Order: sequence, then C-alpha cells, then structure tokens
Amino acid sequence: EVQLVESGGGLVQPGGSLRLSCAASGFTFSHYWMTWVRQAPGKGLEWVANIRQDENEKYYVDSVKGRFTISRDNAKNSLHLQMNSLRVEDTAVYYCARDSQAYRYFEYWGRGTLVTVSS
Amino acid sequence: DIQMTQSPSTLSTSVGDRVTITCRASQSISSWLAWYQQKEGKAPKLLIYKASSLESGVPPRFSGSGSGTEFTLSISSLQPDDFATYYCQQYNRSPLTFGGGTKVEIK
Repeated sequence: EVQLVESGGGLVQPGGSLRLSCAASGFTFSHYWMTWVRQAPGKGLEWVANIRQDENEKYYVDSVKGRFTISRDNAKNSLHLQMNSLRVEDTAVYYCARDSQAYRYFEYWGRGTLVTVSS
Repeated sequence: DIQMTQSPSTLSTSVGDRVTITCRASQSISSWLAWYQQKEGKAPKLLIYKASSLESGVPPRFSGSGSGTEFTLSISSLQPDDFATYYCQQYNRSPLTFGGGTKVEIK
C-alpha cells in the first residue's frame, strides 16, 4: 500500500525557515517524480514544486522561486521542502504527492502538514 | 502560465441528480487533464486522468470528456459520498495549474 506521510509543519514567524519532509513507502520511490502541493485555508490547490527521480530536474511556482528548495533522498525514501524567507501568504497545508509513472498528475497524496506563518 | 477556470464554483444538488462540472484552459492542453475529489479536511483523490480515463477503483458513475480547452466531469447519479469539492488540473506544461474548484453541496 502506498503511503506518504508529511512532517515538519508548524508555526513560524515571517522571514523564518522550516523544512518539510515526506516519508514514502509501499512503492519504489526512486522510480517516480515527486511533488509538493499546498492549500491555503479555505482556498484551492496550488502546485508548489516537483523533482525528477534523479534530482536533475526541479521546478517551482514563481511565488516560491529563490526561497524554497525541493530535494529527495532515494536511499531513505524521503522527499523534502526547505522553506526560507517565509511569508504570511505561505500559510497552507502542504501535501506531498506521487506523480504517475509517466505524466505529471498525482496518483497518491499524503494527509498534509500545516504551515502557519504569523507574528 | 495556463489558467484553468472551473464553473460553477458551487453546485447545489440532490442525491440521484446528474452533475456536470466544466473546466476551461486558457490555451490548448490536448487531453492532459486530471480531475480530483477533495472532502473537507482530507487530501485530494484522483478520479480521472488524460481527460477521460477512470482511475482504478473509482465508481463508473464518474466520467470525463473533452480535449483542447474545454473539459467536463460528469457524475451520472449523485450519491451521498459524492458531496465534495472537485478540481481540474492541467499537466500539459509547467507550471502545473489547478482550477479554482467546484463545491458540490446538498440542496
């Protein structure tokens, strides 16, 4: 059974940093693109970043470029999102998602971890 | 960036009704479109990919159609478990983008 479990969320002040993690199990992690999607309170879904199997391709939504870094550890079946210079508007539930084998839609999702940026 | 526009934003309907949700892309995305269902406080769930392919385990009352810029998600006979918010997502090109969502609520 595919499982994705996010961790690392919490309350942080504007300008601060957080590192999110996603522990993957139930599939061969190194074979799939992985993605972070976020959802601000009461709002819709927003794609944040994704990463190729070998880390040689990484993409970001414009609003987080230069502030967030996606990475993965295939040996530990884990995905990460380093978030720096956090803003109030980054407040959201952050979901880890596994892409399909060949295309950039999301077959499996974690339950999410809440990031709150507030003073 | 490709903008995805869903309509309506809210749909008040009843069990047994046929429901149709529309998703429009700001430029052609061929058939590179997925649909998700999200219940309150839960993660999204994949329903449809490549515009009309039903994900394994999804009931056949769900169907998708369209190509280019116009797409629809239909539910043939709404069940109590179907009251949720539905999102479309294009994966034709990065940045990947979602529609704003359609909330299907009880009339």
